[in-house]
Amino acid sequence: QQQVKQSPQSLIVQKGGISIINCAYENTAFDYFPWYQQFPGKGPALLIAIRPDVSEKKEGRFTISFNKSAKQFSLHIMDSQPGDSATYFCAARRGSQGNLIFGKGTKLSVKP
Amino acid sequence: ETGVTQSPTHLIKTRGQQVTLRCSSQSGHNTVSWYQQALGQGPQFIFQYYREEENGRGNFPPRFSGLQFPNYSSELNVNALELDDSALYLCASSLAGRGGDGELFFGEGSRLTVL
Repeated sequence: QQQVKQSPQSLIVQKGGISIINCAYENTAFDYFPWYQQFPGKGPALLIAIRPDVSEKKEGRFTISFNKSAKQFSLHIMDSQPGDSATYFCAARRGSQGNLIFGKGTKLSVKP
Repeated sequence: ETGVTQSPTHLIKTRGQQVTLRCSSQSGHNTVSWYQQALGQGPQFIFQYYREEENGRGNFPPRFSGLQFPNYSSELNVNALELDDSALYLCASSLAGRGGDGELFFGEGSRLTVL
């Protein structure tokens, strides 16, 4: 049973455009929702995270939008750059010591 | 750089062999988690160690075992290797308690190939 569903599987965006990746979760007990960025041959790097008491969090060009009632959250990358080309994973966790449940990932390609 | 270091970076084993992977956690972190990432997939939780004891385990068989040492470093051991064990093994450290919010910081991983 996949507890975190991520879409799309792949995404191609022109430089300067907006990249949007969506995730849906099932367990309403989840209370922490991070996004990770992974380059080939590297480990995942924490990009930005949100808790369900807020509907949006912005850090630079990266924004998480969170819809608690729909059990959905999304990552928006504004002014996408070729250097943003990577695989992005959403995840969810219950409790500060719980394990992360990851989505299957979205491969983003930003064309110059 | 997260400060989480893993060794070895790459290794090749044959089916039936045993492997030990090592991880040094980020300074100040007291919890270590291990994840398996198959090619093209998201990381899957194997287990977590806190205060040198297993503190949660995913859907992995007992031939996957681990240790955490007093300095918070950790080992992942896999016995009787199978072809499907070929994957990137990721170690992540975090701070539990003491005001920590449990954010996970991953190392670069150990790429295991089983032939």
